[in-house]
Amino acid sequence: SQELEQSPQSLIVQEGKNLTINCTSSKTLYGLYWYKQKYGEGLIFLMMLQKGGEEKSHEKITAKLDEKKQQSSLHITASQPSHAGIYLCGADKDGGSQGNLIFGKGTKLSVKP
Amino acid sequence: KAGVTQTPRYLIKTRGQQVTLSCSPISGHRSVSWYQQTPGQGLQFLFEYFSETQRNKGNFPGRFSGRQFSNSRSEMNVSTLELGDSALYLCASSLGRGGYGYTFGSGTRLTVV
Repeated sequence: SQELEQSPQSLIVQEGKNLTINCTSSKTLYGLYWYKQKYGEGLIFLMMLQKGGEEKSHEKITAKLDEKKQQSSLHITASQPSHAGIYLCGADKDGGSQGNLIFGKGTKLSVKP
Repeated sequence: KAGVTQTPRYLIKTRGQQVTLSCSPISGHRSVSWYQQTPGQGLQFLFEYFSETQRNKGNFPGRFSGRQFSNSRSEMNVSTLELGDSALYLCASSLGRGGYGYTFGSGTRLTVV
């Protein structure tokens, strides 16, 4: 079955620094989602990527899906304390035919002021 | 437009009791899926409903059940609660399968004592 592996598991950065979170799939990705979660709360949608080579940006966050569609990266430029939280990648299971997402274990980001 | 609404936000139940959680999707969304999130297992898929029909089910015991009403609102029920059922339960709504994106609610935090 398909699995998503995120790295790193946790990250502490100084405010203003750039950072990258990776999500690697054991199978081809047909729909890759990035979400942010504050502890104990719901998932906030960040971006959805579907095409190999696709890149999307929103404010200081950029996400890419590699050409082979088995890895995605999330890059934050000039991090701020508001970026702190848990970042989760999710993928359409079996190409979207199952109606559910599988998720990585998450990356916990802390930003030091 | 209104987001995905989950009620209640917090619940404390005793072992052996049953519980019902509610999810109102975004207007126009006919697909509702449920997930359980625990520190050990991460986010795991419970089931998906579309137009009042359960289309897919995750690997959970029969104590976990759900339903969807004609207005697309969904409920999930857990009977004979166990301590291990303590978790954050999240629902997500979508227009359909594959590529439409999933919007999550704020979740219901269930604690079983």
